[in-house]
Amino acid sequence: LAKTTQPISMDSYEGQEVNITCSHNNIATNDYITWYQQFPSQGPRFIIQGYKTKVTNEVASLFIPADRKSSTLSLPRVSLSDTAVYYCRALSGGSYIPTFGRGTSLIVHP
Amino acid sequence: DSGVTQTPKHLITATGQRVTLRCSPRSGDLSVYWYQQSLDQGLQFLIQYYNGEERAKGNILERFSAQQFPDLHSELNLSSLELGDSALYFCASSVAGAGVSEQFFGPGTRLTVL
Repeated sequence: LAKTTQPISMDSYEGQEVNITCSHNNIATNDYITWYQQFPSQGPRFIIQGYKTKVTNEVASLFIPADRKSSTLSLPRVSLSDTAVYYCRALSGGSYIPTFGRGTSLIVHP
Repeated sequence: DSGVTQTPKHLITATGQRVTLRCSPRSGDLSVYWYQQSLDQGLQFLIQYYNGEERAKGNILERFSAQQFPDLHSELNLSSLELGDSALYFCASSVAGAGVSEQFFGPGTRLTVL
């Protein structure tokens, strides 16, 4: 099965850029890497997904190197409302079982 | 609102009992996924159904079972409950059977086993 590893927690301040890196091995070669955001007592919500290089949408950027053994979620100019847990998700190679990291708890301070 | 509904929102029961959690996917989504989230384990994939058929199986205990019905709603049955089964149970749905497509998560069912 794939194994995904991400930092347990991070702290930042309003207006700063935050980068959260997830390492993942044994992932499916033909699937996207996806990041989710979760607030307390809610289900995870899709943020962004990518296959290789860089993807950007209105809320975040995602950087994936050519070997796809890691991915970095970049949140520009965070605000207090970005305080949440962030998960990376990949599919296990072969079995296609979705594997989530343990989540990174981001706390944004005023 | 993701469009995925789960009932009940909260469930409190005793050890040894059996419960059923229900999930209705977004309109048009054929895949349903079940996850267990506990404080020390994060999001653990349990099982996936695609258009009524089991597609992938994760760390699902033998005491747990699931099915997807012709109208595409799904039920997760948990039996012989133990204290350690207390957790948040999420259902997610997606259009495709594997890969690529985004999963939309429901609000979850919080199960407390006393």
